[in-house]
Amino acid sequence: GNSVTQMEGPVTLSEEAFLTINCTYTATGYPSLFWYVQYPGEGLQLLLKATKADDKGSNKGFEATYRKETTSFHLEKGSVQVSDSAVYFCALSETGANSKLTFGKGITLSVRP
Amino acid sequence: DAGVIQSPRHEVTEMGQEVTLRCKPISGHNSLFWYRQTMMRGLELLIYFNNNVPIDDSGMPEDRFSAKMPNASFSTLKIQPSEPRDSAVYFCASSLSSGYSPLHFGNGTRLTVT
Repeated sequence: GNSVTQMEGPVTLSEEAFLTINCTYTATGYPSLFWYVQYPGEGLQLLLKATKADDKGSNKGFEATYRKETTSFHLEKGSVQVSDSAVYFCALSETGANSKLTFGKGITLSVRP
Repeated sequence: DAGVIQSPRHEVTEMGQEVTLRCKPISGHNSLFWYRQTMMRGLELLIYFNNNVPIDDSGMPEDRFSAKMPNASFSTLKIQPSEPRDSAVYFCASSLSSGYSPLHFGNGTRLTVT
């Protein structure tokens, strides 16, 4: 079956530090990959996505590249801000109708001023 | 666009009582998902619907849980009887039924069963 593995957290960084959050996946087909972010007291919202190998998703300074050879989709940001403090979830979806998302466990990022 | 609307935002109830959580998906979305989030287990998919029909309910923990979608604009998740271990945040999400279509989540219902 499908699964998503995220690095253990929490992660605490100083403002303007470089961020990497690791994500690897197992899937039987050719999934689409996503990063979702959850701010305190809110539901998850889509941060970025990639639908095929070597695609790079980007949004709000965050980037992730779909690496089929390493089955990875690591999230990076060159300079984090306090407002980036949130929980980050990696997820995959098999393509096609009635597909559903498989989420990783999520990792909490805290950015201090 | 109003987004996915869930009610109530918070629910506190006593063990044994019936609990009903409500969700209004985004207009035009034809897939609806119920998730449960806890510190211990993370985010778990309970059930999802496509065009109001339940497609996969394998995540529903036990018979105490039931979900309905009587029409395209409304869904309920019911727990009867509730137990303390059901305490969690329950999220509803909707999307177009496409592998590339992102999920749009509501703000969740925080359920506490005492």
